[in-house]
Amino acid sequence: SQQGEEDPQALSIQEGENATMNCSYKTSINNLQWYRQNSGRGLVHLILIRSNEREKHSGRLRVTLDTSKKSSSLLITASRAADTASYFCATGGSTGFQKLVFGTGTRLLVSP
Amino acid sequence: DTAVSQTPKYLVTQMGNDKSIKCEQNLGHDTMYWYKQDSKKFLKIMFSYNNKELIINETVPNRFSPKSPDKAHLNLHINSLELGDSAVYFCASSRSQLGNQPQHFGDGTRLSIL
Repeated sequence: SQQGEEDPQALSIQEGENATMNCSYKTSINNLQWYRQNSGRGLVHLILIRSNEREKHSGRLRVTLDTSKKSSSLLITASRAADTASYFCATGGSTGFQKLVFGTGTRLLVSP
Repeated sequence: DTAVSQTPKYLVTQMGNDKSIKCEQNLGHDTMYWYKQDSKKFLKIMFSYNNKELIINETVPNRFSPKSPDKAHLNLHINSLELGDSAVYFCASSRSQLGNQPQHFGDGTRLSIL
């Protein structure tokens, strides 16, 4: 069954605002990854956070992980129109084997 | 240079036909994957190969048969296409089969069954 569920399903903001997306999952994980998918394109890896990490930064991205609540959040600061895309979380299993289970995605629209 | 490339980008065909999708990666990765993304954007893994060996085979109809002639290529052949096969199929690769590495995706093959 589906592992991750993103919330909200859709988010519409203005350029310059921050965007926060949440991901909840059901079973123990080894790591959690966030991907971006632009319309008509493949997924692009953004950031990976391991189960023993609580927070990670990459440029304007900040990811948190709370394994006790089985949830993660992705914050995009000072958003730009180019950030318009769908964002997916994906969880890697506790065995460490590379089988990612993707969530349903959040569609982010950033208006100029 | 495209890291993971799939052909064709679009595939429109009749129900009952047989078709193939090809994928190549030039990243030197050991592991490759096929995913299916449905109309609701839900992405589900179908198969994974590591150094030409099948390591993941999800609950997929046996009309779908992957083939990996070498570790840089992973093709997907689909027999007797059905309406429900309409979706976007993505190929991806990762450095190894260990679960702590990012995956690199192609731009997808949009399959439409008439």
